[in-house]
Amino acid sequence: DVKVTQSSRYLVKRTGEKVFLECVQDMDHENMFWYRQDPGLGLRLIYFSYDVKMKEKGDIPEGYSVSREKKERFSLILESASTNQTSMYLCASTSPPGGAVYGYTFGSGTRLTVV
Amino acid sequence: GQQLNQSPQSMFIQEGEDVSMNCTSSSIFNTWLWYKQDPGEGPVLLIALYKAGELTSNGRLTAQFGITRKDSFLNISASIPSDVGIYFCAGPRVASYGKLTFGQGTILTVHP
Repeated sequence: DVKVTQSSRYLVKRTGEKVFLECVQDMDHENMFWYRQDPGLGLRLIYFSYDVKMKEKGDIPEGYSVSREKKERFSLILESASTNQTSMYLCASTSPPGGAVYGYTFGSGTRLTVV
Repeated sequence: GQQLNQSPQSMFIQEGEDVSMNCTSSSIFNTWLWYKQDPGEGPVLLIALYKAGELTSNGRLTAQFGITRKDSFLNISASIPSDVGIYFCAGPRVASYGKLTFGQGTILTVHP
């Protein structure tokens, strides 16, 4: 089975800190994604990467950046954490051909609290 | 952009009851996916639908791809406590290979 591993389940950070959320997948998937999940809003796409060093903004990229130096690892960076970035963050991966048509594999999520 | 509207937003049911939820869109989808998210975990794919009118089952779960391609339904029969969680519909975005659009989710609570 494909595994997507997020390095932290829970994080508490202070306003203004630079925060790194790490995600690793073990099935050689080309496509990786970062979503945030908030009650009543579902899952919203922050950033997407379709290959090493390739990235594309999602629907809500403001305040975030990403890094993909190796195929298996996709990092989400909060440049200066703010309280409105308190959320559940989900990493996912999938592989063409088919890609999204066959669904993503998600990690277990990182619940980030910014105080 | 494409949006998916999921209803109801939440459901509180007794163990043993059947559950129905749906997902609608103003635009056509060629694939419908249903995910379940257990408390404290990431979403897991339950059912995938690829053809209008298709009816697919996975145990006590049955999902249907609407004829208009603008909606999908998920039914759970004889609910049990472990059905608790958030159910999401999703579909691939048009002309945006690899990206999914998700509904807002239906929170299901099952009382023993």
